[in-house]
Amino acid sequence: DAGVIQSPRHEVTEMGQEVTLRCKPISGHDYLFWYRQTMMRGLELLIYFNNNVPIDDSGMPEDRFSAKMPNASFSTLKIQPSEPRDSAVYFCASSGDAQYGYTFGSGTRLTVV
Amino acid sequence: QQQVKQSPQSLIVQKGGISIINCAYENTAFDYFPWYQQFPGKGPALLIAIRPDVSEKKEGRFTISFNKSAKQFSLHIMDSQPGDSATYFCAAVRSGTYKYIFGTGTRLKVLA
Repeated sequence: DAGVIQSPRHEVTEMGQEVTLRCKPISGHDYLFWYRQTMMRGLELLIYFNNNVPIDDSGMPEDRFSAKMPNASFSTLKIQPSEPRDSAVYFCASSGDAQYGYTFGSGTRLTVV
Repeated sequence: QQQVKQSPQSLIVQKGGISIINCAYENTAFDYFPWYQQFPGKGPALLIAIRPDVSEKKEGRFTISFNKSAKQFSLHIMDSQPGDSATYFCAAVRSGTYKYIFGTGTRLKVLA
């Protein structure tokens, strides 16, 4: 199994541009999570899905952020318009039993200039 | 009450020594406490986890000690190796929810 696959690994964009981050969870995992990691705030849960349905998006910082999971093998996190304070590492994680361990992807390092 | 407080922020240990990282929580409803290990450029990976019905769990050189009354748990790395140099996160979650609350992380450096 290739694990959780995220793309791109690095993204540099200008303020105001739209950014789309992508995630392919592990096959058979029915939970998918999007996290953001910064030095100041650590690991923050943004949103999670169960069986492709968003369950809790209370961590999404504002309306500029949106996430979708059109099918069991693909999810996107979109930021529009992006701002410098969105610069962080964004992780996707999946789980077959979310209470007992996630598998994280390698992350997307986003820099907004 | 949702926080998990982790200390120290950074730790330097000699090869062969014991690394100890501590976490404390407030919410007594938490009932699963995992530790994650993160190497630079990688996502966190589950290392070891414990439930509050046991006071200790050991896997190889890694041991979790759990003190339910004090609402504290700690990770001990015995015979620390340079390959253990990484950032370690504790976390807590309550059954029926899927929202892990992560500690702020401890950057461990093991000197050769």
